[in-house]
Amino acid sequence: GAVVSQHPSRVICKSGTSVKIECRSLDFQATTMFWYRQFPKQSLMLMATSNEGSKATYEQGVEKDKFLINHASLTLSTLTVTSAHPEDSSFYICSANGASGAGSTDTQYFGPGTRLTVL
Amino acid sequence: GDSVTQMEGPVTLSEEAFLTINCTYTATGYPSLFWYVQYPGEGLQLLLKATKADDKGSNKGFEATYRKETTSFHLEKGSVQVSDSAVYFCALRQGAQKLVFGQGTRLTINP
Repeated sequence: GAVVSQHPSRVICKSGTSVKIECRSLDFQATTMFWYRQFPKQSLMLMATSNEGSKATYEQGVEKDKFLINHASLTLSTLTVTSAHPEDSSFYICSANGASGAGSTDTQYFGPGTRLTVL
Repeated sequence: GDSVTQMEGPVTLSEEAFLTINCTYTATGYPSLFWYVQYPGEGLQLLLKATKADDKGSNKGFEATYRKETTSFHLEKGSVQVSDSAVYFCALRQGAQKLVFGQGTRLTINP
């Protein structure tokens, strides 16, 4: 089946540093990837939609300059949290729409998530 | 805008008990409805889905029926197992638009 991986699974960084999180579709090409943020005991909040080769579309209230998204290929999207602060600590999850050759194009496949802790 | 409301958790049941997790939605048009499950330490996995009214999605003993008249998509399972312990998310999507999630319901099954 369609598999989405994320790296790293956990990261701890100092306040003011930048952190990059990778999201890969392992066995299919994903034209669209999504980045979510999940707070403890809360639902997933969509941060941005990323299309290969074009600029990401950010949801209202999400700072574009703080959360940089790059979707350079059909199998890789990256989220960079710039100048991270403790309030950015969260669980970040990516997902990808199935494309031809992998599962259903109607289904979003989710990565396992990345736990970011900013000290 | 569109929204999804789930019953609040956590829900704790004994093994072999009957499970219902309520989910209602508000949407214009006719969305597709989904249940996702998140096992400890893992990403969300699609559990089941229904794309039109009266459709029943089913998987791994779980079922949910798309009820347009009550705008509901309640998740049910006749006999739960310890391995069903997870967080369950109800979600909707209009066409190719983004998924809208409910707040999630944590389910714990005791042996």
